Amino acid sequence: EADIYQTPRYLVIGTGKKITLECSQTMGHDKMYWYQQDPGMELHLIHYSYGVNSTEKGDLSSESTVSRIRTEHFPLTLESARPSHTSQYLCASSESYRIQETQYFGPGTRLLVL
Amino acid sequence: GESVGLHLPTLSVQEGDNSIINCAYSNSASDYFIWYKQESGKGPQFIIDIRSNMDKRQGQRVTVLLNKTVKHLSLQIAATQPGDSAVYFCAETRISSGSARQLTFGSGTQLTVLP
Repeated sequence: EADIYQTPRYLVIGTGKKITLECSQTMGHDKMYWYQQDPGMELHLIHYSYGVNSTEKGDLSSESTVSRIRTEHFPLTLESARPSHTSQYLCASSESYRIQETQYFGPGTRLLVL
Repeated sequence: GESVGLHLPTLSVQEGDNSIINCAYSNSASDYFIWYKQESGKGPQFIIDIRSNMDKRQGQRVTVLLNKTVKHLSLQIAATQPGDSAVYFCAETRISSGSARQLTFGSGTQLTVLP
């Protein structure tokens, strides 16, 4: 089982609050990813990182931001949460030296913005 | 545009029967495919993968078939068990800008195993 962790697992917060979703992996993977997933729906990539100090936007436009100061840590921040941000957020990581890069996922954070 | 989609949103099978979950993709440049299993309240879990230079790959109780001619992927689960109940996603990767391989996911098939 992959060693990738996300906190909190569940978060209920009011509109306008700033929140940070944490993601950490202990596998030494260079690449990390954030996906947004509505219940029963496909995953949409919102951010990814090649390594330290690298961040890129994904396919789905998002008002969130990310940072990658340490290899193992890839937090996602929403400066001002809105009800439209209610969703599940999944973090993943993968090795960079393999041709086939399987992404390993964390358990996810379910966010509800009231 | 490019997409990865699943033919059936739900599938119910009797315990002990074989399950077949299908997936269609539209990007002929896709070179690597993965099946993920996602149980309720959990993140996707890797099941099996296949490269575009292969037609078939077998794992423990699972087999993935790739038909590049019709851009079709399937996951076969032998002797389906109650623990197999989950949503199954196929995903494809392609070389994109930079070195990060982005995954494109399909919409998922809910597999329900009946007693």
